Amino acid sequence: AQSVTQLDSHVSVSEGTPVLLRCNYSSSYSPSLFWYVQHPNKGLQLLLKYTSAATLVKGINGFEAEFKKSETSFHLTKPSAHMSDAAEYFCVVSDHGTYKYIFGTGTRLKVLA
Amino acid sequence: EPEVTQTPSHQVTQMGQEVILRCVPISNHLYFYWYRQILGQKVEFLVSFYNNEISEKSEIFDDQFSVERPDGSNFTLKIRSTKLEDSAMYFCASSETGIFSGANVLTFGAGSRLTVL
Repeated sequence: AQSVTQLDSHVSVSEGTPVLLRCNYSSSYSPSLFWYVQHPNKGLQLLLKYTSAATLVKGINGFEAEFKKSETSFHLTKPSAHMSDAAEYFCVVSDHGTYKYIFGTGTRLKVLA
Repeated sequence: EPEVTQTPSHQVTQMGQEVILRCVPISNHLYFYWYRQILGQKVEFLVSFYNNEISEKSEIFDDQFSVERPDGSNFTLKIRSTKLEDSAMYFCASSETGIFSGANVLTFGAGSRLTVL
């Protein structure tokens, strides 16, 4: 069965410093993995997706994630945080052959000036 | 950029009443979804819809819930006889391709917050 674990419910970083949001997944098949971001009063916006092509995936706004099958991880990183990155981030897994997305519990990113 | 639009943004209702949440998916998308997030809990899949029928549903999506595409633009979620535990944020989503075309990428709306008193 699919599952996703986001290891940190809250992360605080200073503006200009690196961001690391951790995600581990469990999947029976070859999964598709996604990161979504939710700003206040906005919809869930796709940051990036992994679909069994390149293991290092680049997304919007300077974010990237690396798929590591041996560690069953899909951590999200950004070299330098910006104030506008403050939001809630969701790691999502979807198995082949199902319409269902499985969401992690979310990580709230706070960026300090 | 195309958006998924949801109305109302917030609805308050009395327990036992019927509620209809509305969504306008992206115009060229063919697959439609409802998810919900109870406060403090995970975002959960409810149902997917394609070609005017349910393609997949979760165990949450029981007889209390129904979905409909009444015209060419709207996609609705009806909750009959609401209960306190139906209070949640409900997200509509749509996608252009389905599960047999590589990664199925969903575009989500901003959500409809339902409060049942």
